[in-house]
Amino acid sequence: ETGVTQTPRHLVMGMTNKKSLKCEQHLGHNAMYWYKQSAKKPLELMFVYSLEERVENNSVPSRFSPECPNSSHLFLHLHTLQPEDSALYLCASSQDPLAGGQSSYNEQFFGPGTRLTVL
Amino acid sequence: AQKVTQAQTEISVVEKEDVTLDCVYETRDTTYYLFWYKQPPSGELVFLIRRNSFDEQNEISGRYSWNFQKSTSSFNFTITASQVVDSAVYFCALSNNAGNMLTFGGGTRLMVKP
Repeated sequence: ETGVTQTPRHLVMGMTNKKSLKCEQHLGHNAMYWYKQSAKKPLELMFVYSLEERVENNSVPSRFSPECPNSSHLFLHLHTLQPEDSALYLCASSQDPLAGGQSSYNEQFFGPGTRLTVL
Repeated sequence: AQKVTQAQTEISVVEKEDVTLDCVYETRDTTYYLFWYKQPPSGELVFLIRRNSFDEQNEISGRYSWNFQKSTSSFNFTITASQVVDSAVYFCALSNNAGNMLTFGGGTRLMVKP
């Protein structure tokens, strides 16, 4: 496996279900991100983890719960979602310049996304 | 607050035409970074270019070129001699001065017809 992978690629769930999205990066990066891409809004940053610590929670409802057990894996736990949460959820990774003590910024590499439909 | 505006929501061209995608940004940071990403139908965002705020030199990579003008807060992207495979949604993005938070524009859907 190379780059950033996401599973599942497609997910259909009811509003009372609990599910998890998984992201894995094979690039040796130290920062990981969750983004939401819905039809009517620009890409929205949801969460940022740097060195496995959450550094940003962009006013995301508590029905979305991230988990970063190590620098290569990132999860997004879902529960009691609403139909308006249907969207493409994208994971990304990068080398955080602040965490790595580097002065240059490195671009974010994205996974293929999970297409989520909430019924 | 940072903001990125891509005024063109959809552009349709015929193969071999040149096309320019516009991007205008707002930021109070003196140090920032600008990006272009391509999102083909498969969904994955593909990195195209990064430019920092101190480097206003234009860049050319094959059929792609970028024009960064700080005076007008614009970072436009031109595809020369477009091809059907260029059909995708293109996103312009701006990062904060720390370099770890991206703000995306709404994207421009480019359709290149044979």
